[in-house]
Amino acid sequence: QVQLQESGPGLVKPSGTLSLTCGVSGDSISSSNWWSWVRQPPGKGLELIGQIYHSIYDSGRTKYNPSLESRVTISVDESKNQFSLKLKSVTAADTAMYYCAREPTKSDAFDIWGQGTMVTVSS
Amino acid sequence: SSELTQDPAVSVALGQTVRITCQGDSLRSYYASWYQQKPGQAPVLVIDGKNNRPSGIPDRFSGSSSGNTASLTITGAQAGDEADYYCSSRDSSGDHLVFGGGTKLTVL
Repeated sequence: QVQLQESGPGLVKPSGTLSLTCGVSGDSISSSNWWSWVRQPPGKGLELIGQIYHSIYDSGRTKYNPSLESRVTISVDESKNQFSLKLKSVTAADTAMYYCAREPTKSDAFDIWGQGTMVTVSS
Repeated sequence: SSELTQDPAVSVALGQTVRITCQGDSLRSYYASWYQQKPGQAPVLVIDGKNNRPSGIPDRFSGSSSGNTASLTITGAQAGDEADYYCSSRDSSGDHLVFGGGTKLTVL
């Protein structure tokens, strides 16, 4: 059974960097999947932040939401079977529930989701 | 604004059939997937990009598409189907996945 688990600080100061990690169990981070971050501001809809594909042949291919691309970095730690999100220069508008999710290659569907972690940007 | 447009809210009488739609130009070229999200929970995939149901999803959920519109149909809606539903597909460039704004389904 594949499971994803987000972790990281629940409170980040304005202008700081939001850092989250998604631990993967039941699947390899090097399998044929796009590992993804999705966020949801309170009371609002879902927004894809970005994705990363990692394999032994193709390490660390990324795709970012154009509206966030200048502030986002997604990376993989193969030794820990996890992937991470960094979002810099955060503002209150970045306050949201952050989910990690798995998109099997060429499926165009997120079949496994983490439970989500709430991040608040506030001083 | 999203490249995929959904009605903000839809209601259905218990046991009846409801169709939730998602419109966008990219849907002429790409499939949509559908997610159910109940309050305080993570989204759950109910229909994948090939209009298939993942394991464990009841067969009263089905997906279809025509032209620039994708649809999620719930046949015989139950109280437990009350939730927000989101569609997802590729954007106009085909490079990125995007979500619709979501539809709140109320079962009366």
